[in-house]
Amino acid sequence: AQSVTQPDIHITVSEGASLELRCNYSYGATPYLFWYVQSPGQGLQLLLKYFSGDTLVQGIKGFEAEFKRSQSSFNLRKPSVHWSDAAEYFCAVGFSSNTGKLIFGQGTTLQVKP
Amino acid sequence: KAGVTQTPRYLIKTRGQQVTLSCSPISGHRSVSWYQQTPGQGLQFLFEYFSETQRNKGNFPGRFSGRQFSNSRSEMNVSTLELGDSALYLCASSAGQGISGYTFGSGTRLTVV
Repeated sequence: AQSVTQPDIHITVSEGASLELRCNYSYGATPYLFWYVQSPGQGLQLLLKYFSGDTLVQGIKGFEAEFKRSQSSFNLRKPSVHWSDAAEYFCAVGFSSNTGKLIFGQGTTLQVKP
Repeated sequence: KAGVTQTPRYLIKTRGQQVTLSCSPISGHRSVSWYQQTPGQGLQFLFEYFSETQRNKGNFPGRFSGRQFSNSRSEMNVSTLELGDSALYLCASSAGQGISGYTFGSGTRLTVV
């Protein structure tokens, strides 16, 4: 069955430190990959997406993600975290080009220490 | 350019009642999807509409239904509300009919008491 796993439910990093949020998917082919961020009480904001091509994609707010086919992973990274990055992050996967249906991971809550 | 607008933002209903939530997509967007978000189950796909046609449906009971109008606005309805229907309901719109980066609204927070 198609699935998305975010192994880390909660992560705490110090401001200025680097960040990596993990995402793994289960699917036989290359899926369409997304990272979204959600602040409390808000909707989801798209950070970046990968459909094909260069496996390292750049997004908004200084985030990037790397698609690794061999590991079925699409990890999100940021070199230096800011206090405003504290939020919940969701990895999402689409398995067909003909539908907008996304399957989301359970989310990772990021806490930033001053 | 206005974003995806969901109304109302908050709603309190009693068990057994029904509720209708509204979503106005970004101007020019023809595809609308709905998701339910709960602490226990996370984000789950409800249904997807394109040009007034339901293209995909998630694994929810028939009490959950939706529709899309000719102006692309969408509504979802939940009948015979249960306590477990308490959730944040998110709507997302996209210009095309295929996979793309959907833009999400801020959601409707439904509380069933």
